[in-house]
Amino acid sequence: DTGVSQDPRHKITKRGQNVTFRCDPISEHNRLYWYRQTLGQGPEFLTYFQNEAQLEKSRLLSDRFSAERPKGSFSTLEIQRTEQGDSAMYLCASSRGQGSGGYTFGSGTRLTVV
Amino acid sequence: QQPVQSPQAVILREGEDAVINCSSSKALYSVHWYRQKHGEAPVFLMILLKGGEQKGHEKISASFNEKKQQSSLYLTASQLSYSGTYFCGTESPSTSNSGYALNFGKGTSLLVTP
Repeated sequence: DTGVSQDPRHKITKRGQNVTFRCDPISEHNRLYWYRQTLGQGPEFLTYFQNEAQLEKSRLLSDRFSAERPKGSFSTLEIQRTEQGDSAMYLCASSRGQGSGGYTFGSGTRLTVV
Repeated sequence: QQPVQSPQAVILREGEDAVINCSSSKALYSVHWYRQKHGEAPVFLMILLKGGEQKGHEKISASFNEKKQQSSLYLTASQLSYSGTYFCGTESPSTSNSGYALNFGKGTSLLVTP
């Protein structure tokens, strides 16, 4: 069990650029979640996958955000045409499934849009 | 919908007790509790699945009142290592009934002093 890995740890980008983050979940976990967290707030749900299927996406999420999980393994989160309001910590988590245990979070990718 | 946590912040002396509350306006399937230390990812503490269920983790325990849609986290004989921000995460059926993902509260900041 090597934990949940996220890459990169930090990303600074100019407004309007596209960015992509990667998450490698715990291999036995079939569920993968993306959350966003800003200072002083709890994690805000973005989207989640069960295996390769994207089962839910936050209604508050802009169309500029897209996520994939090909073959049910690693996942990528892409933000197109970044805005300053996108600056946050992007957390990935994985779990075995509903009611079967808690989420294991990765260390996150801190995005700064300048 | 985001669960509501109270209090927002607590300062304790080592050895004192604290209670953190979490309430939801929606029916709940489960409640999770996490602790996050500054600059780190949230760490899973426990999950409560059934109404009235209580669980313990060292000197940290929790209860879940399904009818009232509330959960409480109890920290007894607090230690310096308990300092951090505590989040409850609630799991409810999504409106699309396609799956479940946690909604997190804004967190309760706990500081334990010597």
